[in-house]
Amino acid sequence: DTAVSQTPKYLVTQMGNDKSIKCEQNLGHDTMYWYKQDSKKFLKIMFSYNNKELIINETVPNRFSPKSPDKAHLNLHINSLELGDSAVYFCASSQNRLAVTQYFGPGTRLLVL
Amino acid sequence: QKEVEQDPGPLSVPEGAIVSLNCTYSNSAFQYFMWYRQYSRKGPELLMYTYSSGNKEDGRFTAQVDKSSKYISLFIRDSQPSDSATYLCAIHENNDMRFGAGTRLTVKP
Repeated sequence: DTAVSQTPKYLVTQMGNDKSIKCEQNLGHDTMYWYKQDSKKFLKIMFSYNNKELIINETVPNRFSPKSPDKAHLNLHINSLELGDSAVYFCASSQNRLAVTQYFGPGTRLLVL
Repeated sequence: QKEVEQDPGPLSVPEGAIVSLNCTYSNSAFQYFMWYRQYSRKGPELLMYTYSSGNKEDGRFTAQVDKSSKYISLFIRDSQPSDSATYLCAIHENNDMRFGAGTRLTVKP
C-alpha cells in the first residue's frame, strides 16, 4: 500500500494552461505539505495544511492555489502556467504539525513548454 | 544567504570508502537536524534525525551535530553502491523545515 500517492506522475503542458496535481495519504496523518524541487535539486516548501487548515503559505505566486477537501487529501492547482513552473512537485505528510518525520510522495514531474 | 548550505557535489567514492557529507545552517533556533536520502526519480525518505547537539548512530550511518558551529554531518561507513543517491540535510522547528540543496553521491563498485 502506497503511503503518500500523487497523480499524475508526469505532466507536460503548454504555457498559459491550468493544471492540477492531486495527493492522498493513507497514514492517518493530520498535516500535509507541498514542496517544489527545482532542477538543482533544491527542495522548498510551498504550503502546509493541518486538518484542512492552511498553516504555512510561503512566498508563492497567487497562480498556485492549494485545496484540502479532507485531511487525507491535498491538491495543488496552478493557473496560467509559466516556463519557470517546470519542476518536480512533492507532496508530504506528517503525523501532526510538530512531528519531525515527513513522508514524501513519489513526486509529479511538471514540464511547461 | 540560504538558511542551509550544502555542497551539491557530485561526490564519487569507491565501494568501502568512508563518506562524509556536511551542511551548515544559519538560524540557531532550529533544534532538529535531519538527513534525507533521495534515489533518482523518487521522493526523499528520512534516513535519521538528531535533536540538539551530539551524535546518533544507525548501522553504517552516523549523524553529528555541532550547534556551536552550526555544522551538521553525516558519515557513511563501508559505503555500498546501493548508497548512491542524493543526500539532503534539513533543519526543523515547529512545523518549519528547511532543506539543503542536496549532495549527489555515487559509490562505484
